[in-house]
Amino acid sequence: DVKVTQSSRYLVKRTGEKVFLECVQDMDHENMFWYRQDPGLGLRLIYFSYDVKMKEKGDIPEGYSVSREKKERFSLILESASTNQTSMYLCASSFTSRYNEQFFGPGTRLTVL
Amino acid sequence: AQKVTQAQTEISVVEKEDVTLDCVYETRDTTYYLFWYKQPPSGELVFLIRRNSFDEQNEISGRYSWNFQKSTSSFNFTITASQVVDSAVYFCALSEAAGSARQLTFGSGTQLTVLP
Repeated sequence: DVKVTQSSRYLVKRTGEKVFLECVQDMDHENMFWYRQDPGLGLRLIYFSYDVKMKEKGDIPEGYSVSREKKERFSLILESASTNQTSMYLCASSFTSRYNEQFFGPGTRLTVL
Repeated sequence: AQKVTQAQTEISVVEKEDVTLDCVYETRDTTYYLFWYKQPPSGELVFLIRRNSFDEQNEISGRYSWNFQKSTSSFNFTITASQVVDSAVYFCALSEAAGSARQLTFGSGTQLTVLP
């Protein structure tokens, strides 16, 4: 079974802190994604990566950065957390194929105070 | 630009009722893929089904069935004889065939509550 794990289920940080969210997948997927989920807005893509050290902006990249130094690991970084970044963050991975089925991690609920 | 609309924000049914979740999509591509995911209270999205734009056959899997109609750009999901365990948020998503990494565009989701 594909496994996507995220470093924390719940995280509480203060405004201005630097926050790292980690995601690891064990299926040798080329693509990895970070989404945020907010009520009424569904999932919105923040950043994605299609290869090691490669990244592309999604729909809402402002205030975030990412790092992919190894194929299995994709990190989301909030350089200076703000209250409007309080959200559920979901990581996903997939093979590069026509079908593009994405496999999701359990999510990290981040609260910024 | 592609777009997915799930007009039903919340649906509540009583156990054993049938329920249909609507999904309408927009895309300029002739080749694309449609998906349904389930998000139970635990939070992890679970893949349910994938359909490509050239396959309009309806699909049935146990109590689940999907109706894909290109003429109305819809990909609706029906649960027959609903159960309490079906309570979840359900997302419809669209992927165009071109482009790197083939991103998914998600609808806003439908919260389904099945009451005992």
